[in-house]
Amino acid sequence: DAKTTQPTSMDCAEGRAANLPCNHSTISGNEYVYWYRQIHSQGPQYIIHGLKNNETNEMASLIITEDRKSSTLILPHATLRDTAVYYCIVRVYSGGSNYKLTFGKGTLLTVNP
Amino acid sequence: DSGVTQTPKHLITATGQRVTLRCSPRSGDLSVYWYQQSLDQGLQFLIQYYNGEERAKGNILERFSAQQFPDLHSELNLSSLELGDSALYFCASSPSGRVNNEQFFGPGTRLTVL
Repeated sequence: DAKTTQPTSMDCAEGRAANLPCNHSTISGNEYVYWYRQIHSQGPQYIIHGLKNNETNEMASLIITEDRKSSTLILPHATLRDTAVYYCIVRVYSGGSNYKLTFGKGTLLTVNP
Repeated sequence: DSGVTQTPKHLITATGQRVTLRCSPRSGDLSVYWYQQSLDQGLQFLIQYYNGEERAKGNILERFSAQQFPDLHSELNLSSLELGDSALYFCASSPSGRVNNEQFFGPGTRLTVL
């Protein structure tokens, strides 16, 4: 299984960019990287996903290294409402044509005023 | 609001009992996923159904079972409950069976086993 490693916690000042790193050194060629976040016991919320190219949407940007062994989620202008646990996930093959998302411990991002 | 609904919001029961958690996916979504989140284990994938059929299985105990009905709502049945089953149970849905789709999570059911 392709596992991910993330820092346990990070701080960021409000209005600044938050850069959340993730290592996934055992990722295979056709596995996607997903990012979700969870705000205090609410249901997780999808942020973004990518395979090898950098991706951007209205919430964030995802930068994947050329060797695909690590990625960075960027929240360009963090707000207090971005305080949450951020999960970097590589989907895991579960047999046949099926995959599942395996959530790790994630990074607790605290945005400070 | 993700469009996924879960009932009940809270459930308190005793060890040895059986409970049923219910999930209604977003309109048009065919896949339903169940997750368990406890303090010590984090968010664990339990099982996925796609259009009424089991599609993928995770760390689901034999005491737990799930099904998806023709109207696409799903139920998670937990039996012979133990203290360690106390957790938040989330349901998620996605348009198809491919996990490439983003999953939309419901608000969860908090189960407390006393």
